[in-house]
Amino acid sequence: EVQLVESGGGLVQPGRSMKLSCAASGFTFNNYDMAWVCQAPKKGLEWVATISYDGSSTYYRDSVKGRFTISRDNAKSTLYLQMDSLRSEDTATYYCARQGYSGDWFAYWGQGTLVTVSS
Amino acid sequence: EIVLTQSPTTIAASPGEKVTITCRASSSVSYMYWYQQKPGASPKPWIYDTSKLASGVPNRFSGSGSGTSYSLTINTMETEDAATYYCQQWSSTPPTFGAGTKLELK
Repeated sequence: EVQLVESGGGLVQPGRSMKLSCAASGFTFNNYDMAWVCQAPKKGLEWVATISYDGSSTYYRDSVKGRFTISRDNAKSTLYLQMDSLRSEDTATYYCARQGYSGDWFAYWGQGTLVTVSS
Repeated sequence: EIVLTQSPTTIAASPGEKVTITCRASSSVSYMYWYQQKPGASPKPWIYDTSKLASGVPNRFSGSGSGTSYSLTINTMETEDAATYYCQQWSSTPPTFGAGTKLELK
């Protein structure tokens, strides 16, 4: 059974940093591109970033470029999101997602971790 | 970026009723993907490659469309189908989602 378990969320002040982790199990982690998708409170879904199966390529939405870094440790089957210079508008639940084999969709989702940016 | 516009924003349906949710793209896309989300839960993949049902999705659901117009249809509404449905494309980066359609039970 595919499992994605996020951790690392919480309350953080504007301008500070936070690192999210996603522990994956139940599939061959290094075969799949992985992503972070967020959802602001009572709002819709928004893609944040994607990393290729081997970590060689990364992609970001414009609003987080230069502030967020997606990475992975295939030996540990773990995905990360380093979030720097956080803003109030980054407040959201962050979901770890395994992309489909073709890479075009989000085939499995974690339970999410809430990040609240507030002073 | 490709903007996806879902309609209606909210819809109420009675058990047994047929329901159709539409997703229109600002530019042509090759495939559409759909997710179901219930309050307090993660999104669940629902339909992929426009018309294929994800694992565990009842066959009263179907997906169709091409180009800039796609739809999700429930042949006969059931209580458990009340949820918010999101469409998503990745024909061009960034991948984008529609704003969601909230399906309520009448």
